[in-house]
Amino acid sequence: EDQVTQSPEALRLQEGESSSLNCSYTVSGLRGLFWYRQDPGKGPEFLFTLYSAGEEKEKERLKATLTKKESFLHITAPKPEDSATYLCAVPDAYSGAGSYQLTFGKGTKLSVIP
Amino acid sequence: DAGVTQSPTHLIKTRGQHVTLRCSPISGHKSVSWYQQVLGQGPQFIFQYYEKEERGRGNFPDRFSARQFPNYSSELNVNALLLGDSALYLCASSLGRLTGELFFGEGSRLTVL
Repeated sequence: EDQVTQSPEALRLQEGESSSLNCSYTVSGLRGLFWYRQDPGKGPEFLFTLYSAGEEKEKERLKATLTKKESFLHITAPKPEDSATYLCAVPDAYSGAGSYQLTFGKGTKLSVIP
Repeated sequence: DAGVTQSPTHLIKTRGQHVTLRCSPISGHKSVSWYQQVLGQGPQFIFQYYEKEERGRGNFPDRFSARQFPNYSSELNVNALLLGDSALYLCASSLGRLTGELFFGEGSRLTVL
């Protein structure tokens, strides 16, 4: 069974203090790894797709990287508005039509203190 | 452009009752998925519909059912509610195939007393 483990569960950073979030996975034949951001009381918002080891994607202060066993979400000089829960997910199954069925990790709750 | 819309946003039910949750996908999106998110956990896959056909079902009991209508909107039904069904129910739509880029609605918060 595919497994996705995120660490740490929670992270408090001072504004401007860079850090990384980890997502480790055990899947057979990775078809992609996806990062989402979720604000309290909202649905997840798609951030990145990574398909192969060595791939990197960037968006503002966020950079996602992928190895054969884990992915990192690097946050550079975070601001309070970056506070959210960050979720990673992998495809669990594909029916041959439509989108992937995703297995999500439990997420990392990031708090950025001014 | 309107995003994924879900209704109702909040509801309270008692054990044994049933509930119907509704979802309208983004215009042009033919794939709709339902996820359950319990507090402190990541979303868990329940159902996927594509072109009005069920294309996937997660590890949920038969009390959970869903359908997709000709206009691609969808309903999730849960019968014989249990306390453990209390959760945020998320609907997501997507444009194409072979994608993990899902567009989520804000969810329906169900509380079972």
